[in-house]
Amino acid sequence: QVQLQEAGPGLVKPSETLSLTCAVSGYSISSGYYWGWIRQPPGKGLEWIGSIYHSGSTYYNPSLKSRGTISVDTSKNHFSLTLRFVIAADTAVYYCARHTSVVVGPFEHWGQGTLVTVSS
Amino acid sequence: DTVMTQSPATLSVSPGDRVTLSCRASQGVSSNLAWYQQKPGQAPRLLIYDVSTGATGIPARFSASGSGTEFTLSISSLQSEDFAVYYCQQYKNWPRTFGQGTKVEIK
Repeated sequence: QVQLQEAGPGLVKPSETLSLTCAVSGYSISSGYYWGWIRQPPGKGLEWIGSIYHSGSTYYNPSLKSRGTISVDTSKNHFSLTLRFVIAADTAVYYCARHTSVVVGPFEHWGQGTLVTVSS
Repeated sequence: DTVMTQSPATLSVSPGDRVTLSCRASQGVSSNLAWYQQKPGQAPRLLIYDVSTGATGIPARFSASGSGTEFTLSISSLQSEDFAVYYCQQYKNWPRTFGQGTKVEIK
């Protein structure tokens, strides 16, 4: 069974860089599927951040204004999110997830999420 | 962006009721529409994809339909574990977008 687990600091200062990693178990990223990041500000809805294939092919939400980068390390079976120049509005629970077989389609498997707070 | 508008924002219902949630897209999404259920403190769970196909392990009381820009999710007889927030998501257009959610609460 596919399992995903987010990891990273829970507190980031404004203007600094947020870095999260999603460790995948029960499935090899190299075997296929797109893998993505979604965030949810406290008490609000869901926002797709971006997604990556094991080859490195990526899709991003333009709302990030080029601040975000998603990368994959197949040797460690994990993928990562880097968000630069964070602001208070980036405070959210960040989820990693695996899409279905559709390219950047629905999210079938989710991590439990990790809360990242942007504050000085 | 494709704006997904869900209605109502909140639905107060009793166990055993039948409920219908709506999702409208600002532009056509073909059949690329999914529904998720989210309970407090948990990640969303995929319920339905491709408008009406149930995800693995989803009870038969959940059904969905629609096309183009208008979609609905129905729960035939609400169980206690169904009280949650439900989101629709389109995966036809870029960027992928979610609705703002419908909260199904106990009356």
